[in-house]
Amino acid sequence: NAGVTQTPKFRVLKTGQSMTLLCAQDMNHEYMYWYRQDPGMGLRLIHYSVGEGTTAKGEVPDGYNVSRLKKQNFLLGLESAAPSQTSVYFCASRPLGGYEQYFGPGTRLTVT
Amino acid sequence: GQQLNQSPQSMFIQEGEDVSMNCTSSSIFNTWLWYKQEPGEGPVLLIALYKAGELTSNGRLTAQFGITRKDSFLNISASIPSDVGIYFCAGNYGGSQGNLIFGKGTKLSVKP
Repeated sequence: NAGVTQTPKFRVLKTGQSMTLLCAQDMNHEYMYWYRQDPGMGLRLIHYSVGEGTTAKGEVPDGYNVSRLKKQNFLLGLESAAPSQTSVYFCASRPLGGYEQYFGPGTRLTVT
Repeated sequence: GQQLNQSPQSMFIQEGEDVSMNCTSSSIFNTWLWYKQEPGEGPVLLIALYKAGELTSNGRLTAQFGITRKDSFLNISASIPSDVGIYFCAGNYGGSQGNLIFGKGTKLSVKP
């Protein structure tokens, strides 16, 4: 099992450009999450999904959109990137019946 | 919103020393998790705690779920250089679809 994978690993965008980050999990988990990690801020929840076809806002959702068309995939989109979105983005998943989340390796995004 | 206070923020220790860190909250939590993050990687789950007073070990790591349910502790015995990383606590207080609240992390440095 690959667990949770994220694509791409690194990306540089110019202000105003758009992009999509892909998260995939092969553990048949119901729940999936997108976090951003900034120095001194810990992990902050952007959006999450409790199942295929559902999404919900987390702590810092502004400027991001998500979709969960397939159970194994969770996409994070930036429609018009801003320098404030420079961060490391992590995807995580967890099964029903437990709180243990399993993380991907992260995507380092720089917006210039 | 809910917050977790994790301390210390950083630790510089000698190889072979024992390490203690903790996480506290003003609210009662029903789950405590401890993660380790190495540079350039995603957080990896170390220990999960589900009952007040529970003491769980994973090799040289031992974590406890505080009796008041408002805190948790992680101890590392006989530290080695590969223990270097950032240790995060995370907890669930029973709300928000089982989402986790994360501490800001304790950065551990081990001097050989």
